[in-house]
Amino acid sequence: SQQGEEDPQALSIQEGENATMNCSYKTSINNLQWYRQNSGRGLVHLILIRSNEREKHSGRLRVTLDTSKKSSSLLITASRAADTASYFCATGSGGSNYKLTFGKGTLLTVNP
Amino acid sequence: KAGVTQTPRYLIKTRGQQVTLSCSPISGHRSVSWYQQTPGQGLQFLFEYFSETQRNKGNFPGRFSGRQFSNSRSEMNVSTLELGDSALYLCASSGQGGTSGGARTDTQYFGPGTRLTVL
Repeated sequence: SQQGEEDPQALSIQEGENATMNCSYKTSINNLQWYRQNSGRGLVHLILIRSNEREKHSGRLRVTLDTSKKSSSLLITASRAADTASYFCATGSGGSNYKLTFGKGTLLTVNP
Repeated sequence: KAGVTQTPRYLIKTRGQQVTLSCSPISGHRSVSWYQQTPGQGLQFLFEYFSETQRNKGNFPGRFSGRQFSNSRSEMNVSTLELGDSALYLCASSGQGGTSGGARTDTQYFGPGTRLTVL
């Protein structure tokens, strides 16, 4: 079953705008990761945030985690056409960080 | 370092056949996980191997099996293929998990996937 649920399912913006995607999950987690997937290819790891962290930055990416609300957000600033992809959140929980539970993803389209 | 490699990249089989997919993890990584991605069910965890032992298993029928070799390379096998097995199969590798607050070794790095079509 899907633990993470991304919101929105699809997002279309213009180049230069910011894109925000949200992820909610159901059970306690060890960490939450965000991945990008271009059109049916492999997943590219973007960022990992641990359950005791609240915010992380990596380049144009900013991730927040609110464990009390069981939610996370991914912000991509100054978007580019190359950011067009599906974005997934994935949670590791219980005794294993190696069994990830993925959401259904947000399809981001950045128009030039 | 070279990334995770998967072979073959594309595969077409017919119902009832069996298939073996291969995954070579990042050098030094000992954990290999397999995922199935379909439009309907999304990304679902199949199993994870560490040091040649299956450490975690998802909710898939026994037709799906795997193994890991001493060099950490892994194979997954699907027997008696069904139409619903058509999917992108992704392999991910990870280093030895550190303790909480330890090194960032539980990140999973994915390969490009094997696209399996069952006719």
